[in-house]
Amino acid sequence: AQRVTQPEKLLSVFKGAPVELKCNYSYSGSPELFWYVQYSRQRLQLLLRHISRESIKGFTADLNKGETSFHLKKPFAQEEDSAMYYCALSGGGSNYQLIWGAGTKLIIKP
Amino acid sequence: EPEVTQTPSHQVTQMGQEVILRCVPISNHLYFYWYRQILGQKVEFLVSFYNNEISEKSEIFDDQFSVERPDGSNFTLKIRSTKLEDSAMYFCASRRQGVNTGELFFGEGSRLTVL
Repeated sequence: AQRVTQPEKLLSVFKGAPVELKCNYSYSGSPELFWYVQYSRQRLQLLLRHISRESIKGFTADLNKGETSFHLKKPFAQEEDSAMYYCALSGGGSNYQLIWGAGTKLIIKP
Repeated sequence: EPEVTQTPSHQVTQMGQEVILRCVPISNHLYFYWYRQILGQKVEFLVSFYNNEISEKSEIFDDQFSVERPDGSNFTLKIRSTKLEDSAMYFCASRRQGVNTGELFFGEGSRLTVL
């Protein structure tokens, strides 16, 4: 079955501390993985995707096919990182239907 | 910067009533989507639309749901006879065509409350 699991509903860390938001997936083929973010009172927006292999706002995520994981990391959290983070998977093709994790609420304490 | 816009932002309706949620995708985008999120639950795919027809739909998207692109700009989701369990946030999204364009651009959502 195709599934995305984000085990933490809530993650609270202090400003300046490292952050890791976990994402594991189950998919039979070669998926594309994404992290979307929703800041307070804003729309869902793409943070990063594994095929880009880039760092956005200091966040990185590496696709580990062996562990079927796509964890999101940032070495030093900032208060403006507080948001809801969703990991999502697509089987690719033309439709890019996304399968979503339940989301992790990240709170950065001052 | 162009954005996906959705109306209304919040609609309250009685069970059994028809509801139409409207979306204006980004103008040069060719793929359109509806997702929904019941409070406290995951975002769920409803339907994708391309070239004036449904390209994929989920089990949630039953006969009570329909989508339409009545003109060159709007993309609507209709629920014919709403049920209590249709209460959710409905997100419209669009995507342009091309390689490595997996990024979906989302609207701010329409909150539907069925009483």
